[in-house]
Amino acid sequence: DAGVTQSPTHLIKTRGQHVTLRCSPISGHKSVSWYQQVLGQGPQFIFQYYEKEERGRGNFPDRFSARQFPNYSSELNVNALLLGDSALYLCASSLEVAGGRETQYFGPGTRLLVL
Amino acid sequence: AQSVTQLGSHVSVSEGALVLLRCNYSSSVPPYLFWYVQYPNQGLQLLLKYTTGATLVKGINGFEAEFKKSETSFHLTKPSAHMSDAAEYFCAVRHFTGGGNKLTFGTGTQLKVEL
Repeated sequence: DAGVTQSPTHLIKTRGQHVTLRCSPISGHKSVSWYQQVLGQGPQFIFQYYEKEERGRGNFPDRFSARQFPNYSSELNVNALLLGDSALYLCASSLEVAGGRETQYFGPGTRLLVL
Repeated sequence: AQSVTQLGSHVSVSEGALVLLRCNYSSSVPPYLFWYVQYPNQGLQLLLKYTTGATLVKGINGFEAEFKKSETSFHLTKPSAHMSDAAEYFCAVRHFTGGGNKLTFGTGTQLKVEL
């Protein structure tokens, strides 16, 4: 079975530009979460979507936005890129949002470099 | 608020030696706890998780962890290290609030295995 897939794998942008990252969850998973992992740190929660609705948001500025599509895939958008946005962006999927016992399965990530 | 502290950003062991990676959590309610492993240039892979029930949890690749409420700890162990265990390990806590599936990660422990 295919795991969580993310595209692109690597991306180079310049300050002020906009970027869109994409994620396809494991088949049957309805929840997608996004995390930012800066070099040398643990992942930080950005968003969680379930059934196309935002269910959680981390402490990130409004330049960060996301959406989930009817097929449960998701996009993370970042506007007005800053050097500090350089990071590995991880997408995770899980079966459902209720309960909290569900395992989040992570994709390989998109490595974004902002110059 | 939930938080996770991983003591020791770098741990070095000899092949065949015991692996002990420390994790302490802070939570006002019973937590769900996870250990993930990250190999270079890859996403996160679940090693094991504790939700309820038996406090000694066995995971993949011979790893196990014990939930100790009195010590607010969830240390990861493996009796005999293998070269392939060299990676970064993250402890995470999930607090069930009735919605959302946010993981809060520690800063990670880089495990080095020497011959």
